[in-house]
Amino acid sequence: EPEVTQTPSHQVTQMGQEVILRCVPISNHLYFYWYRQILGQKVEFLVSFYNNEISEKSEIFDDQFSVERPDGSNFTLKIRSTKLEDSAMYFCASNPGQGAASGRHNEQFFGPGTRLTVL
Amino acid sequence: RKEVEQDPGPFNVPEGATVAFNCTYSNSASQSFFWYRQDCRKEPKLLMSVYSSGNEDGRFTAQLNRASQYISLLIRDSKLSDSATYLCVVNMRANAGKSTFGDGTTLTVKP
Repeated sequence: EPEVTQTPSHQVTQMGQEVILRCVPISNHLYFYWYRQILGQKVEFLVSFYNNEISEKSEIFDDQFSVERPDGSNFTLKIRSTKLEDSAMYFCASNPGQGAASGRHNEQFFGPGTRLTVL
Repeated sequence: RKEVEQDPGPFNVPEGATVAFNCTYSNSASQSFFWYRQDCRKEPKLLMSVYSSGNEDGRFTAQLNRASQYISLLIRDSKLSDSATYLCVVNMRANAGKSTFGDGTTLTVKP
């Protein structure tokens, strides 16, 4: 069964450094998302992406964050200058959109996550 | 008020027990509803979508009451492998859109 994949599984960085987290969504899916989960807390929405542009973003997704789909398969999240509070698990997700079977088009499938540790 | 509120838990039940999780959501315009399970330090995995007519998948039954803004998940004949955190998820759109997660309810099934 197709899966969302993410790399790296764990990223350790120094405060102020830039990081790029990578995701390969399921191939025929149209909508892509980034979520984060701080340890012990709930999953929080960051951004959604459709048709090569951001369709929605949360207040967490400030100017330090950006997303890109540089080719037909990868979907990246860049954090320009990491802060200690950016330490979290970052999940990429995708969903098929309207082309999927009835009732299934809004089901989001998550990748295994990248654990980001900012020191 | 939280957008999605779940039973705080944790739930500790013996194998074979029936357990029910409850969830309420604050925005009456919400369009789509899901239950996910999350194992420790893993990604959320879709368990089932929740439809107004109610739906069942093996030992799992989900119900939605739009008038009360209430979602439930019933697990019958619980197994050790059902031990996980169960996440109630609500989406404002019927097609794509951000998912809003509850805090989760942790279930431990004991032998």
